[in-house]
Amino acid sequence: RKEVEQDPGPFNVPEGATVAFNCTYSNSASQSFFWYRQDCRKEPKLLMSVYSSGNEDGRFTAQLNRASQYISLLIRDSKLSDSATYLCVVGPYNNNDMRFGAGTRLTVKP
Amino acid sequence: DAGVTQSPTHLIKTRGQQVTLRCSPKSGHDTVSWYQQALGQGPQFIFQYYEEEERQRGNFPDRFSGHQFPNYSSELNVNALLLGDSALYLCASSWDTNSPLHFGNGTRLTVT
Repeated sequence: RKEVEQDPGPFNVPEGATVAFNCTYSNSASQSFFWYRQDCRKEPKLLMSVYSSGNEDGRFTAQLNRASQYISLLIRDSKLSDSATYLCVVGPYNNNDMRFGAGTRLTVKP
Repeated sequence: DAGVTQSPTHLIKTRGQQVTLRCSPKSGHDTVSWYQQALGQGPQFIFQYYEEEERQRGNFPDRFSGHQFPNYSSELNVNALLLGDSALYLCASSWDTNSPLHFGNGTRLTVT
């Protein structure tokens, strides 16, 4: 089983749609969870942290399910500017480092 | 407040050569991690430096080595370059092992 696994997509959705991404992780001792956004040929940028009780930031909602070892990201009212690759990040592994999923590519179309 | 800075931005090398990439962490961060990102893949962990020591290492050969300086800046060295080393090399800093990573713009290495 991969350490952090994501559906690679691509997800192609119209503007205004709601889209959800899931990510599973293998290390049950993981304590930190994040979603990053990466635009083409750019560096990853933190989108939001994921907290145990779930959290929301505007149109974005993140959830954590420790029992099933997955996290999710929900994007409501998709915008063209949401088109990017979304990376799931989990850690620490081996006590220190963060591990990334391969990313889920989202394209929002007019 | 400067974020993470990396140099150079782009680099072209030939097989067998050696390369050194540089990174300055975000102000206030003392932990530096290096990642390799091949096209279409997620970033793969190379190693992490803290207090000038390699604290953790991913599944990369000894050709990949690094260093951290007293001012927390870091270098990544790759010896005997292979074509497969062509990738985006990302430096990330953080202030502890559980806090979010802040990335530099990356160095795009092409090995021909």
